[in-house]
Amino acid sequence: SYVLTQPPSVSVAPGKTARITCGGNNIGSKSVHWYQQRPGQAPVLVIYSDNDRPSGIPERFSGSNSGNTATLTISRVEAGDEADFYCQVWDSGSDHPWVFGGGTKLTVL
Amino acid sequence: EVQLVQSGAEMKKPGESLKISCKGSGYSFIHYWIGWVRQMPGKGLEWMGIIFPGDSNTKYSPSFQGQVTISADKSINTAYLQWSGLKTSDTAIYYCARRDTSHWAPFDYWGQGTLVTVSS
Repeated sequence: SYVLTQPPSVSVAPGKTARITCGGNNIGSKSVHWYQQRPGQAPVLVIYSDNDRPSGIPERFSGSNSGNTATLTISRVEAGDEADFYCQVWDSGSDHPWVFGGGTKLTVL
Repeated sequence: EVQLVQSGAEMKKPGESLKISCKGSGYSFIHYWIGWVRQMPGKGLEWMGIIFPGDSNTKYSPSFQGQVTISADKSINTAYLQWSGLKTSDTAIYYCARRDTSHWAPFDYWGQGTLVTVSS
């Protein structure tokens, strides 16, 4: 089945830009979604279809996807952004089509 | 407002059965898929399976096929996840989440999660 690889952790100072990657074979041909999960809370969709934001998600959140890597970018990071982030794709033709990455812990220094 | 409200925390013994629920409101329940996602303590998200309440079409991850049963009652806008013989390794938080009918669609709304603890 399709595998998505994320770095376990990313650290960034407040006000700086955080970039979280999601690697997969030819992931650029797939639609990538990103979820934020704050401690003790359910996941929340923050980016869908590579770079679209649901209503209510700040413009500071953006995404890109090309080749073998998708990237979630968080500009002007705030303390409240500290959370686990997961990428997800739909893998057509697979018996396990809904695939999540392993998650990345974003720490705001 | 779209909401998915899950049943409360459960504490069970190994071998016992369990059925947890996820009630949708604020949208047409029969026109969206409901997926179930497991999160074991300190771990990531795992897709377990998904159901389309409109016709009860159900798909399971190979990892969970035969281990759980997913069902839905469209008359009361509720999806279910059930076990017939729990194991200690089933201890986890279980989330339900909604997705559109497009294959590529994300899980756009999530329930609050149900903590299942299995211990002797």
